[in-house]
Amino acid sequence: DGGITQSPKYLFRKEGQNVTLSCEQNLNHDAMYWYRQDPGQGLRLIYYSQIVNDFQKGDIAEGYSVSREKKESFPLTVTSAQKNPTAFYLCASSIQGLGNIQYFGAGTRLSVL
Amino acid sequence: AQSVAQPEDQVNVAEGNPLTVKCTYSVSGNPYLFWYVQYPNRGLQFLLKYITGDNLVKGSYGFEAEFNKSQTSFHLKKPSALVSDSALYFCAVRDEAAGNKLTFGGGTRVLVKP
Repeated sequence: DGGITQSPKYLFRKEGQNVTLSCEQNLNHDAMYWYRQDPGQGLRLIYYSQIVNDFQKGDIAEGYSVSREKKESFPLTVTSAQKNPTAFYLCASSIQGLGNIQYFGAGTRLSVL
Repeated sequence: AQSVAQPEDQVNVAEGNPLTVKCTYSVSGNPYLFWYVQYPNRGLQFLLKYITGDNLVKGSYGFEAEFNKSQTSFHLKKPSALVSDSALYFCAVRDEAAGNKLTFGGGTRVLVKP
């Protein structure tokens, strides 16, 4: 998990509330990613960014938003439009290139109150 | 579209016995294949990857994987399992058409019994 810091480790969301998950990396990686992990399922891509000030929707972007104002930071906002937000959220980063490894943070577990 | 299948939800093995975790994939171009391991409430840790070259790839913690193009498989193996290998294992694939996007399998839970 070294080099990628996710915070908080646990987060609780109230009905109708937006919450933001933090992801910071000091690996000087250009690309960053957000995944959602549900029990018994693999990781699903929410959003990814290959360069500062640019990002693309992944497979399950509805109800989420991101920004990439700095190379080292890629925060994810879970909006009130996301009706089933309870999950484990993982941030990753990599250098560009098809064969390059994605390095993961320790994750944030989001629950609904 | 690229996809990955891990046909076994769980694999049970006795400590000291060989461990195999299965993975098959589907891509439209050349595959780039990865194995990751996840311990409880933690992020994923990289184990090994196949890009090109030798079909047998060696990785971290004594794990290896064999790329089989004809069977579109990339099974993870360890000759002698340890109790500490008990974890969730994910296979992932990327192809040239999908750019930097990785597609993950559903994961296989490995339980190594003493």
